Amino acid sequence: QKEVEQDPGPLSVPEGAIVSLNCTYSNSAFQYFMWYRQYSRKGPELLMYTYSSGNKEDGRFTAQVDKSSKYISLFIRDSQPSDSATYLCAMRSMDTGRRALTFGSGTRLQVQP
Amino acid sequence: NAGVMQNPRHLVRRRGQEARLRCSPMKGHSHVYWYRQLPEEGLKFMVYLQKENIIDESGMPKERFSAEFPKEGPSILRIQQVVRGDSAAYFCASARQSTSNEKLFFGSGTQLSVL
Repeated sequence: QKEVEQDPGPLSVPEGAIVSLNCTYSNSAFQYFMWYRQYSRKGPELLMYTYSSGNKEDGRFTAQVDKSSKYISLFIRDSQPSDSATYLCAMRSMDTGRRALTFGSGTRLQVQP
Repeated sequence: NAGVMQNPRHLVRRRGQEARLRCSPMKGHSHVYWYRQLPEEGLKFMVYLQKENIIDESGMPKERFSAEFPKEGPSILRIQQVVRGDSAAYFCASARQSTSNEKLFFGSGTQLSVL
């Protein structure tokens, strides 16, 4: 079983729709949760960063973390064609011996104009 | 303020040759991570380095792969005697420090193709 599970999609939505992207994880030591956006043939770009449980909002993006369910979400409001990309969740524990991020496999999002 | 710089962007090698991938971290960053990404897959951790030290190489294949981050100059990921299965996108990320809440910033990657 992978430490982080993410539906690969593709997820196709019309412009203006609300998009919900999700990841589940198995390692209860994960405390830091991130969402990266990756355009084709580009490097991942940090979108959202949250610590422990709760919500964080930044413009059209909202990140939610539910540690009790080991479940994180990214919501995109008023989606735009420019949001079409692969979205990767990433996590990290506070374990000093493990600084690297663990990534989900990514969800490909297509926003149709 | 330049971001993480990786070169080359594309690298073509024949089986058995060596591949050298370079990564210059963001200004002020002294921590570098290397990741590999296969098509339709997420990023897989390979190695984490600080200047002149390998901190975590738990994701690095035991043979043919090595990494360094010298006191001066970029971090280098070296793959000896490449095989077709090494074809992938290799990304490096840099961070200012090693605390748990430190954010990682990625370069644009090197696409390695082995013929």
